[in-house]
Amino acid sequence: EAGVAQSPRYKIIEKRQSVAFWCNPISGHATLYWYQQILGQGPKLLIQFQNNGVVDDSQLPKDRFSAERLKGVDSTLKIQPAKLEDSAVYLCASSLGPLGRGIGEKLFFGSGTQLSVL
Amino acid sequence: GQQLNQSPQSMFIQEGEDVSMNCTSSSIFNTWLWYKQDPGEGPVLLIALYKAGELTSNGRLTAQFGITRKDSFLNISASIPSDVGIYFCAGQNPEYGNKLVFGAGTILRVKS
Repeated sequence: EAGVAQSPRYKIIEKRQSVAFWCNPISGHATLYWYQQILGQGPKLLIQFQNNGVVDDSQLPKDRFSAERLKGVDSTLKIQPAKLEDSAVYLCASSLGPLGRGIGEKLFFGSGTQLSVL
Repeated sequence: GQQLNQSPQSMFIQEGEDVSMNCTSSSIFNTWLWYKQDPGEGPVLLIALYKAGELTSNGRLTAQFGITRKDSFLNISASIPSDVGIYFCAGQNPEYGNKLVFGAGTILRVKS
């Protein structure tokens, strides 16, 4: 079974530039998540999609971050303009359905995109 | 908001030793999960716990869901070099929208 695919693996930009990350979840997974992982911290949820609808974006800095999942499969996360504090690993994850609906519902993570903002 | 406190922050042990780490919270969780993250990779699920008091094993790993539902423990027996990595606990509760809340991680280094 192919895992969650993310690209690029690394990105270096200057502050105030824009950047976009791409994620392709595991085939058939309806729920997709974007997490931000700052060095030395655990992942923090930015946004959760159920198919192509947003379920939770309460922790997404909407003045500069945006995300979409137009066809309910692939997703992109954009930052515009980037700030120094956005330097982090951006992890995409997917699950068959929303967590908590059934015991054993599992979250699968991609390898992440490491963003450095200079 | 909910926070998970993991300890220790890091540990450096001899190969063959047993390892213990824990996770505590001021909030109650209905599910506790333990993940391992290798450098340059995403976290991978090790063990999931769904009931207070539950004790679950996965090979050399054993995890327990605390009776109070506010803590969890992970033990690794007879550590080997490939156990190196960062171990995260995560909690989940429908009252908080089933969002996974992660601890800051325990860094494990093994001396061979």
